[in-house]
Amino acid sequence: NAGVTQTPKFQVLKTGQSMTLQCAQDMNHNSMYWYRQDPGMGLRLIYYSASEGTTDKGEVPNGYNVSRLNKREFSLRLESAAPSQTSVYFCASSEAAGFQPQHFGDGTRLSIL
Amino acid sequence: AQTVTQSQPEMSVQEAETVTLSCTYDTSESDYYLFWYKQPPSRQMILVIRQEAYKQQNATENRFSVNFQKAAKSFSLKISDSQLGDAAMYFCAYRSGTGNTPLVFGKGTRLSVIA
Repeated sequence: NAGVTQTPKFQVLKTGQSMTLQCAQDMNHNSMYWYRQDPGMGLRLIYYSASEGTTDKGEVPNGYNVSRLNKREFSLRLESAAPSQTSVYFCASSEAAGFQPQHFGDGTRLSIL
Repeated sequence: AQTVTQSQPEMSVQEAETVTLSCTYDTSESDYYLFWYKQPPSRQMILVIRQEAYKQQNATENRFSVNFQKAAKSFSLKISDSQLGDAAMYFCAYRSGTGNTPLVFGKGTRLSVIA
């Protein structure tokens, strides 16, 4: 039972390069989320997909795009990476109901030089 | 917009003692859910405990319990008989009960356990 799988686990980019972070869940969850975690800032929501076919902006969407490819997969794309996007990125999924917890992937540490 | 505040950036506790981590939140909603997540050095986000706002009884999971004060908008986490494995970042999170909405996280409290 893999849960939420993120790839890659680590990545170093140069400023201006593009990159897609992949996320897949095998729990048949309707909702998926992308967060970034920076020191002292907690987890901030970038984008989320409440259900297949829908996406919505979160707190810090600038510089990112997302694609809900199907119910299982939700990718995050950096079109032109900037040093300010150096962070740890977490994907999560949950059932639609509010009481259901979010299940998180192990994170992707992304460094942009 | 809802906000979650954790006023203690760092806390420490002696092994086998009890520690309480604070969390307050701001919302105008009456229907919502509250969560505590643990993040050890491995970076995993692990659900510790959760509370439904309409339930007056405080949630308990083994050594972990909450003190939910709805009127005060306070949701503290108590860890009893602290163990070395409890050392981690702890995040308080809020989720609206209306619609399908994401979690809103506090900035976290780093807990150290002293042997």
